[in-house]
Amino acid sequence: LAKTTQPISMDSYEGQEVNITCSHNNIATNDYITWYQQFPSQGPRFIIQGYKTKVTNEVASLFIPADRKSSTLSLPRVSLSDTAVYYCLVARPASKIIFGSGTRLSIRP
Amino acid sequence: KAGVTQTPRYLIKTRGQQVTLSCSPISGHRSVSWYQQTPGQGLQFLFEYFSETQRNKGNFPGRFSGRQFSNSRSEMNVSTLELGDSALYLCASSLLGQRTDTQYFGPGTRLTVL
Repeated sequence: LAKTTQPISMDSYEGQEVNITCSHNNIATNDYITWYQQFPSQGPRFIIQGYKTKVTNEVASLFIPADRKSSTLSLPRVSLSDTAVYYCLVARPASKIIFGSGTRLSIRP
Repeated sequence: KAGVTQTPRYLIKTRGQQVTLSCSPISGHRSVSWYQQTPGQGLQFLFEYFSETQRNKGNFPGRFSGRQFSNSRSEMNVSTLELGDSALYLCASSLLGQRTDTQYFGPGTRLTVL
């Protein structure tokens, strides 16, 4: 199973763009990359998923280079409510999902 | 449509007791996974059920067990509770449990073992 590595914590300010990079060196051909957001005492919430190049939805963008050994979650113009833990996952069909330590993002006014 | 529901939301037990937690997946979802979250170990996978069969299992002792019913609802049981079992237990459901399926998490059950 692909292991992921993310920064333990990041700080930013309201209105800034935040980029969180995840390393997954041994990603397999059929693996997808998924990001989740978790607030304290709540279950994780799906943010975005991708396989290669760039994926964008209403809350975030996901950039995946050609070698797929890393990915970057981009949050445009963050607000205080984006303060949370962000998890990068690499998952295969019908396999157990391994959550890494996540990145604790703190947004300041 | 309704999200994943978990009952109870909070539970206090004493060492040696057993506990059963319940999870109702989103309607139409057939895969249910369970996770344990603690400050020290983070989010750890317990097991996954699909069509009433355990399909994957994490590295937890046999005291942790689960089952899934024909309506996809799932329960997990922990016997002979230990202090270290205090955690937030999360249930997640997805359509088929495949790699492109999004997992939707419930609010969790906070278990405290005294």
